[in-house]
Amino acid sequence: EAGVAQSPRYKIIEKRQSVAFWCNPISGHATLYWYQQILGQGPKLLIQFQNNGVVDDSQLPKDRFSAERLKGVDSTLKIQPAKLEDSAVYLCASSLDRRQSYEQYFGPGTRLTVT
Amino acid sequence: AQSVTQLGSHVSVSEGALVLLRCNYSSSVPPYLFWYVQYPNQGLQLLLKYTSAATLVKGINGFEAEFKKSETSFHLTKPSAHMSDAAEYFCAVSVGGGTSYGKLTFGQGTILTVHP
Repeated sequence: EAGVAQSPRYKIIEKRQSVAFWCNPISGHATLYWYQQILGQGPKLLIQFQNNGVVDDSQLPKDRFSAERLKGVDSTLKIQPAKLEDSAVYLCASSLDRRQSYEQYFGPGTRLTVT
Repeated sequence: AQSVTQLGSHVSVSEGALVLLRCNYSSSVPPYLFWYVQYPNQGLQLLLKYTSAATLVKGINGFEAEFKKSETSFHLTKPSAHMSDAAEYFCAVSVGGGTSYGKLTFGQGTILTVHP
């Protein structure tokens, strides 16, 4: 069974530029999560999708971050414009559905450096 | 709201020694509790989970954790450390209900170093 795929693995941009990350969850998983992991901290949930609908985006900085999950499969997270404090690893995870949220499978992450 | 506190950002043990990583949680409702491991440049991998069944939970790679409600703790242990256990470990809590359903709240992580 293929795991959660993310790309790119690494990205370096200058502040005020825009960037997008892509995630392909495990096949058949209805719930998809985006986390932000700042160096030295645990992951923080940014947004949770159930199929193509948003369940929780309470910690997403909506003035600069956006995410979508068209057709309930792949997802894209965008930052526009980026700030220095956005430097972090962005993790995507998926689970069969919300009731199996404890079985979250994580991708390898995208390491973003904003200079 | 739920929260997790991991005591000790760095733990160092000798190979073959006991591993003890501490985790305390705060939750107003019965929680689900998890331990994840993260190797360098990789995503998180689930080690074990507590979902209100047996309080002593066994996971992969010889790790286990015990849920102690009276102490609000969920410490991770392994009787004998191996060099391959060197990684960062995260404790996490999840509660059900409403929009918080399925939301994992992580601790800040503990880096485990194993010396030969």
